[in-house]
Amino acid sequence: KNQVEQSPQSLIILEGKNCTLQCNYTVSPFSNLRWYKQDTGRGPVSLTIMTFSENTKSNGRYTATLDADTKQSSLHITASQLSDSASYICVVSGPALMFSGGYNKLIFGAGTRLAVHP
Amino acid sequence: DAGVTQSPTHLIKTRGQHVTLRCSPISGHKSVSWYQQVLGQGPQFIFQYYEKEERGRGNFPDRFSARQFPNYSSELNVNALLLGDSALYLCASSSKGLAGNTGELFFGEGSRLTVL
Repeated sequence: KNQVEQSPQSLIILEGKNCTLQCNYTVSPFSNLRWYKQDTGRGPVSLTIMTFSENTKSNGRYTATLDADTKQSSLHITASQLSDSASYICVVSGPALMFSGGYNKLIFGAGTRLAVHP
Repeated sequence: DAGVTQSPTHLIKTRGQHVTLRCSPISGHKSVSWYQQVLGQGPQFIFQYYEKEERGRGNFPDRFSARQFPNYSSELNVNALLLGDSALYLCASSSKGLAGNTGELFFGEGSRLTVL
């Protein structure tokens, strides 16, 4: 079964500290992995997209890594800010031929809820 | 340019009623997909439309239906509402419709449906 598991479920850190969020997936074959940030009650906003050939990608203070062999990804947040408080969702996609209709079926993790305290 | 817009933003219905949610994609985007997000969980795929054709359906009952119009806007319809349909319904648009691509997916702010 294609699944995406994220850990921890929730995390509290102090402003200015770094943190790392984990994502393990069983989607196979694999096409790409995305990290999204979702503020409470808002739509998700894309942070990074990585294909199987990429093993790291940065977007400002956010750095995502990918190990396609072990099917693991991490999102590292550097020098956290209060505005980083949100849910971070890992999303994995398989290639078109895996799913009927040729559509881009995205499999979402449940997210990690991050709270940054002053 | 406007992003993905969804309406209504909030609505309350009672069990057994019907609801229609609307989505306007980013200008030039031909792909629209719908997701259901129950509180505390990640979004679950419901439908994808590309060039006005249904390209995929998630594991949702036939009470859920959707369509895409010539201007690429979309509607999600849910009949015979159940309490469990209470969720944030997200619409996303993309310039590319087929899998295997790394096209950016842009989400709207969602429609919060409460079923009493």
